[in-house]
Amino acid sequence: EPEVTQTPSHQVTQMGQEVILRCVPISNHLYFYWYRQILGQKVEFLVSFYNNEISEKSEIFDDQFSVERPDGSNFTLKIRSTKLEDSAMYFCASSDTLAGDEQFFGPGTRLTVL
Amino acid sequence: SQQGEEDPQALSIQEGENATMNCSYKTSINNLQWYRQNSGRGLVHLILIRSNEREKHSGRLRVTLDTSKKSSSLLITASRAADTASYFCATDVSYKYIFGTGTRLKVLA
Repeated sequence: EPEVTQTPSHQVTQMGQEVILRCVPISNHLYFYWYRQILGQKVEFLVSFYNNEISEKSEIFDDQFSVERPDGSNFTLKIRSTKLEDSAMYFCASSDTLAGDEQFFGPGTRLTVL
Repeated sequence: SQQGEEDPQALSIQEGENATMNCSYKTSINNLQWYRQNSGRGLVHLILIRSNEREKHSGRLRVTLDTSKKSSSLLITASRAADTASYFCATDVSYKYIFGTGTRLKVLA
């Protein structure tokens, strides 16, 4: 069964450093998403991406965040200058339609900012 | 209440008992999904129910949706210790999913 994959599973970084979280969505999907979950809290939407541009972003997704689909398979989330409060689990998801259907989630990347 | 608010926040039952979790939401939706998350792990999709559906089954899971009350319930029958996890509902709002706060289920062997 096709699945969304994410790398790395755990990333530790120093405050102020840049990190890139990688995702490989399901191959025939066209819509891509990033969510995050701070420990003990609920999953929060960050951004949706379609046709090589951002469809929607939340208030959390400020200028330090960016997303890219550098090739036909990867979807990345870059955090330019990490802060302590960026420590969270980051989930990538993909779907083959924009609304009304299941979003398939990856296993997540746990980001720890020291 | 928030969009996607589950109750109870925590539930502890004996193995073999049924577990019922509820989710309430505020805005109109196209569909609602339930996910399971084991501690510190990824999200496992359980069931998607569309706004024109009232009930769906998958194995030991039963989901109901009442759009007039803007609520959904997830029933796990004959629970097992392996069902211990957090359960979240997620509603689609403007092409993204809004997750609830979750119910932490503990099934005691």
